Amino acid sequence: DGGITQSPKYLFRKEGQNVTLSCEQNLNHDAMYWYRQDPGQGLRLIYYSQIVNDFQKGDIAEGYSVSREKKESFPLTVTSAQKNPTAFYLCASSRPGSPRAVAKNIQYFGAGTRLSVL
Amino acid sequence: KNEVEQSPQNLTAQEGEFITINCSYSVGISALHWLQQHPGGGIVSLFMLSSGKKKHGRLIATINIQEKHSSLHITASHPRDSAVYICAVRYNTPSGGGADGLTFGKGTHLIIQP
Repeated sequence: DGGITQSPKYLFRKEGQNVTLSCEQNLNHDAMYWYRQDPGQGLRLIYYSQIVNDFQKGDIAEGYSVSREKKESFPLTVTSAQKNPTAFYLCASSRPGSPRAVAKNIQYFGAGTRLSVL
Repeated sequence: KNEVEQSPQNLTAQEGEFITINCSYSVGISALHWLQQHPGGGIVSLFMLSSGKKKHGRLIATINIQEKHSSLHITASHPRDSAVYICAVRYNTPSGGGADGLTFGKGTHLIIQP
């Protein structure tokens, strides 16, 4: 079945440690996104990528890094610089097509990764 | 900063009731999404609207572009409809591309009691 797979489902980070969240999609989508969800808050965009080997910062990119070496994969690294990493992280993808079509494309979401600090 | 406001924040209803969840936004958008988040956290896209009305089963979504307002309705509600419903919009950008992701409301926590 086509979809987005996030792993792990639960992740624990020790102070000063970098951790990487995996996101893989087999939908042949060009665009991929990482969002962070905090209790009582709307999802906020961390990074997005419109095409392989290119990515852009979202609203809250500080303390995070990404790579897009393959179309199917968009891993997110939570670095030690992120002082409040405890949150629910969601990955999404969409097929943007032409720039004007970008705005109208449905985003498909993964099941999420819940990150906690030890 | 462009905001997306949802109401109510929490809603508890009895099985069979007609449910309405509202979403308002501040400036012009190119698309509005209604999403459903299950207790485990997974999100499913229910509707994407740019005008008018869409229906899927017991779910109906409407949007009024002039009033910058959308509603999600659930007819004959059922306990399995219990979830968080999230409104998200893609604001128009100067380039018209909208490539910077969605802006999300905080969600409406719906509980349907048997």
